[in-house]
Amino acid sequence: DSGVTQTPKHLITATGQRVTLRCSPRSGDLSVYWYQQSLDQGLQFLIHYYNGEERAKGNILERFSAQQFPDLHSELNLSSLELGDSALYFCASSEPDTTYGYTFGSGTRLTVV
Amino acid sequence: GQQLNQSPQSMFIQEGEDVSMNCTSSSIFNTWLWYKQDPGEGPVLLIALYKAGELTSNGRLTAQFGITRKDSFLNISASIPSDVGIYFCAGRLTQGGSEKLVFGKGTKLTVNP
Repeated sequence: DSGVTQTPKHLITATGQRVTLRCSPRSGDLSVYWYQQSLDQGLQFLIHYYNGEERAKGNILERFSAQQFPDLHSELNLSSLELGDSALYFCASSEPDTTYGYTFGSGTRLTVV
Repeated sequence: GQQLNQSPQSMFIQEGEDVSMNCTSSSIFNTWLWYKQDPGEGPVLLIALYKAGELTSNGRLTAQFGITRKDSFLNISASIPSDVGIYFCAGRLTQGGSEKLVFGKGTKLTVNP
């Protein structure tokens, strides 16, 4: 158990729908990062939050949004889903000083049918 | 933006063989990290390197932080079937007052028993 909790583990939904992925960072970590990984692909950075504030955006579609709440958990909202949004979505957390890297959750596998 | 060139993209080896993979960049990083991702799981940190020239081992794994701070390699000796997975390098840098990790695209390792 890495200490980063992601729910749900699996999600199957239809095109056009909206889903919310949830992440609880490791205790003490203020940063949360979201990544998308399509089949056998690398990790595509989506967005970074630090202590409730958006810090950096990567290749995140306008249909996607995220937020980090006062208790530091984060949610990634995916709307108007398309077949191509099917992927593994990872959340990672880190201390303010990223010397020790990021700690990843086990991911949410999203399947859009 | 910063890019990490990780090679090879994939490797197919026999059990017992040694493996070598590397990452290069045009940017200087102050930390290099190597992660392993088992199928269907999140990446897990294997080795972290903090000083140029540093050589660090973790069991059968050995990694080095290049002298120029622009490259790193990971060696796996006497591979076993459970070494199967995707290996990611990551470089840490400070940009615009915040720190972030930049990930390579991964090396997919297949070990034939």
